Amino acid sequence: NAGVTQTPKFQVLKTGQSMTLQCAQDMNHNSMYWYRQDPGMGLRLIYYSASEGTTDKGEVPNGYNVSRLNKREFSLRLESAAPSQTSVYFCASSEALGVDTQYFGPGTRLTVL
Amino acid sequence: AQSVAQPEDQVNVAEGNPLTVKCTYSVSGNPYLFWYVQYPNRGLQFLLKYITGDNLVKGSYGFEAEFNKSQTSFHLKKPSALVSDSALYFCAVRENTGGFKTIFGAGTRLFVKA
Repeated sequence: NAGVTQTPKFQVLKTGQSMTLQCAQDMNHNSMYWYRQDPGMGLRLIYYSASEGTTDKGEVPNGYNVSRLNKREFSLRLESAAPSQTSVYFCASSEALGVDTQYFGPGTRLTVL
Repeated sequence: AQSVAQPEDQVNVAEGNPLTVKCTYSVSGNPYLFWYVQYPNRGLQFLLKYITGDNLVKGSYGFEAEFNKSQTSFHLKKPSALVSDSALYFCAVRENTGGFKTIFGAGTRLFVKA
């Protein structure tokens, strides 16, 4: 039981490049989330998926897109990376939207030059 | 709008001494409150939560937290700190009014000295 897994662990991009961050969970959770963590700012919600087939914007969605590929997988895409998107990205899941405890992946550290 | 504040960027404590990591919150209804811990290069791990009932909540690794409605606080405590408790601690709040969004504090770094 791996919980929540994320790939890659580290990535360096040049401004304007695109990439997709992958996330998968094996806990049969319905809801999944993408956060970014910046120093002194806690975690901010980028996008979430209440259930398979649905996605919605969080606090800071600009510059990102998401796909809920199936119940297990939720990917985050940067179409044209900007230095302001340098951050650590965390995927999380929970049994359902509004159910309390979230389970987090190990994170992806992204640097945009 | 809901918010959560962790007034201390860092807390330093000697091993064996009690520790407290502070958290205050603001919500329009009744809160759901959480503490998560983050070890270096790892994701957040759930420690404990308050939903309803007893104001003193016990969680993992000997941690506990006290919900104080009048002071809108949810401070994390442990009677005897360990060096291995050194980590980044996040308080989080969610409104119990049908919304789902969880707001995280900026985090407090706990440093336990041997």
